[in-house]
Amino acid sequence: AQSVTQLDSQVPVFEEAPVELRCNYSSSVSVYLFWYVQYPNQGLQLLLKYLSGSTLVKGINGFEAEFNKSQTSFHLRKPSVHISDTAEYFCAVRAFGGSQGNLIFGKGTKLSVKP
Amino acid sequence: DVKVTQSSRYLVKRTGEKVFLECVQDMDHENMFWYRQDPGLGLRLIYFSYDVKMKEKGDIPEGYSVSREKKERFSLILESASTNQTSMYLCASSSTMTALKYGYTFGSGTRLTVV
Repeated sequence: AQSVTQLDSQVPVFEEAPVELRCNYSSSVSVYLFWYVQYPNQGLQLLLKYLSGSTLVKGINGFEAEFNKSQTSFHLRKPSVHISDTAEYFCAVRAFGGSQGNLIFGKGTKLSVKP
Repeated sequence: DVKVTQSSRYLVKRTGEKVFLECVQDMDHENMFWYRQDPGLGLRLIYFSYDVKMKEKGDIPEGYSVSREKKERFSLILESASTNQTSMYLCASSSTMTALKYGYTFGSGTRLTVV
C-alpha cells in the first residue's frame, strides 16, 4: 500500500518570496507522483506529475517539483509566488500498475500568499 | 475542455433523509470517482466506477452507495443521512488511456450539510 505525508498543513508566505511545499511518500513499489491545486470554491486541477525520466518536472503557473527516490520525496517549489497562488495543494501517489482507484492523496497544504 | 458537473453546489438535508448527489461528465471517460473532502483529512475515496454498472468500494464506503446506469452519470447515494456525513463531496472522472498524462478532472464540489 502507498501513503502520502504532506509535512505542513499551512504555509504563509509574502508575495514574490520563494516557497517549498513538502511531500513524502511511502511505497514498496515504484510510483507515479502528482501535485494537484484547488483554488477557493473550485475542484482540483493537475499542477504537474512525475511519471519517469528527468527527476525535475515543471508544471503550470511556474511551479516545479523534484522527485528524490532515495528520500522518497516530491517537494513542490516556486521561486516567486503571487497572490493568485493562494490555494490548497495536494500531493498524490499511484503505484505502477495500480488501478484507477488507487490514487492516494495527502491531507493538503494551504498556501496563503500575503501582500 | 472536459467538464465534470455536479448538480448542486450547496445542499442542506435532514438527518435520516435519503440524499442523491449527481455527477455528469461530457468526455466519454470510463472511470468516475466520488471523494469526500474534510479539513485536515484531505480527499478520501468513497467509491469509484470503471464502467457502466461496475463499482468498487474505496476507503470509506460505509453509509454510501452509488449508481452508474449510463457512462456519463455517476450518482452518490446517502441511504439515511447522518450529521457525520456533513462534508464537501467531489466527483472526478478520468480516461484509462490518458489518466497519467492528464490526471483526473474534478467537479467543483457539493457542500452537504446534514442537520
